[in-house]
Parts: sequence; structure tokens; C-alpha cells
Amino acid sequence: DQQVKQNSPSLSVQEGRISILNCDYTNSMFDYFLWYKKYPAEGPTFLISISSIKDKNEDGRFTVFLNKSAKHLSLHIVPSQPGDSAVYFCAASDNDYKLSFGAGTTVTVRA
Amino acid sequence: DAGVTQSPTHLIKTRGQHVTLRCSPISGHKSVSWYQQVLGQGPQFIFQYYEKEERGRGNFPDRFSARQFPNYSSELNVNALLLGDSALYLCASSLAGSIGTGEKLFFGSGTQLSVL
Repeated sequence: DQQVKQNSPSLSVQEGRISILNCDYTNSMFDYFLWYKKYPAEGPTFLISISSIKDKNEDGRFTVFLNKSAKHLSLHIVPSQPGDSAVYFCAASDNDYKLSFGAGTTVTVRA
Repeated sequence: DAGVTQSPTHLIKTRGQHVTLRCSPISGHKSVSWYQQVLGQGPQFIFQYYEKEERGRGNFPDRFSARQFPNYSSELNVNALLLGDSALYLCASSLAGSIGTGEKLFFGSGTQLSVL
């Protein structure tokens, strides 16, 4: 049962423009949300997170928005850079030890 | 500082065999988690260990087992391999495994297992 869904398998964006990645979840007990980035032949690396008590968290070019009523979160990358080309995973936790991941969105930043 | 290291990086096995995958956490990290990533899907939780004790187990059959050693390294064992076990197996470490309180999870590059 997929509790975290990323419905867009891919996204292509021009360098300098905004990338918006979306994620939906079904488990209302999730209280902590994260985004991970993965390059080929490497493990996922932590990008940004947000607690359910907040609706926005910003770190440099990356901003995560959380809409609890819609069970939806999004990641904004602005401006997009060629090094941002990677697979992005949305993840969520309802306890201390386990993350539930979405299937990922492949972002391609065009020069 | 070395990150999370996993061995081997690639492995080919046949159906029915067993396999042992190894993971060394970041120095100072006492918790190790294992995830399975099938092609086209996100990582799926298998186990978390903290201080050599199993803290959580995902929805995987008993063919999957793991343990954590006194030096906090870990092994994942899979018996009676099936074709469907072909996947990237990721190990992750954290200080105390308290992901829900903002503790970061650091992943290794994974072991790519192919079952023929």
C-alpha cells in the first residue's frame, strides 16, 4: 500500500527557472516529511525536511511547503541549476524509526 | 570522515541461494537501517537496529534477517532468494535512529543484487 505518492515520474525545466515537485500522502499520522535527492550510483542524500507543525521551511534555493488538510507537500527549487538534475524522493514518518518513500521524480535541468 | 560504506557493491546470485550484505555506519552513529529499492520504486523499509537491538521491521518475509554488531556495523541476510529479491539494498545510519525528531538519515551507495 503506497502511502506516499509522487505522481509525476519526470520533470524537465530550463536552467534558472523554478522546479516544483509534488507529493501526496494518505496516512494522516505522518508528522515529519523529508525530501531526498539521489544521483546515479549514489545513495539518497538528505535535502530538506518539515515538521507537521509548520507549513513552510526554507533552506537556500530549496523550499518545502506542507498543506496538511490536503495531505500534500511540494518542493520548490529556485533557481534550478544543472547540478540539480537527479531523482528526488519525498518521504514521511509517523514514528521514530521508519521512513515511507514515494517512487521518485526525475528532474532534468536543461541549459 | 568516511560515510556509510556497504559491501559488496554488486552481487549476482541464483534462485534458492542465500546472501549476506554488509554495512558500516558513520563513526559515532549507533543506528543502522536497511531499505530495499526495486527499480522504478522508492526505497522500502526493511529493518532498523539501534544498540544491537531490532527497533522496527517492515513488511518483509522471515527470509530476511539482520543483526548489528558491537561496533555498530550490520549485516542483512536473505535466504532462499527469489527473482523478486533483485533490487538495490540501501543501508542508512543515524546517531540514534530518531528520525521523527529531525535526526538525519545518511545512506550508503547500496548493494545491487541480481537474482537469476
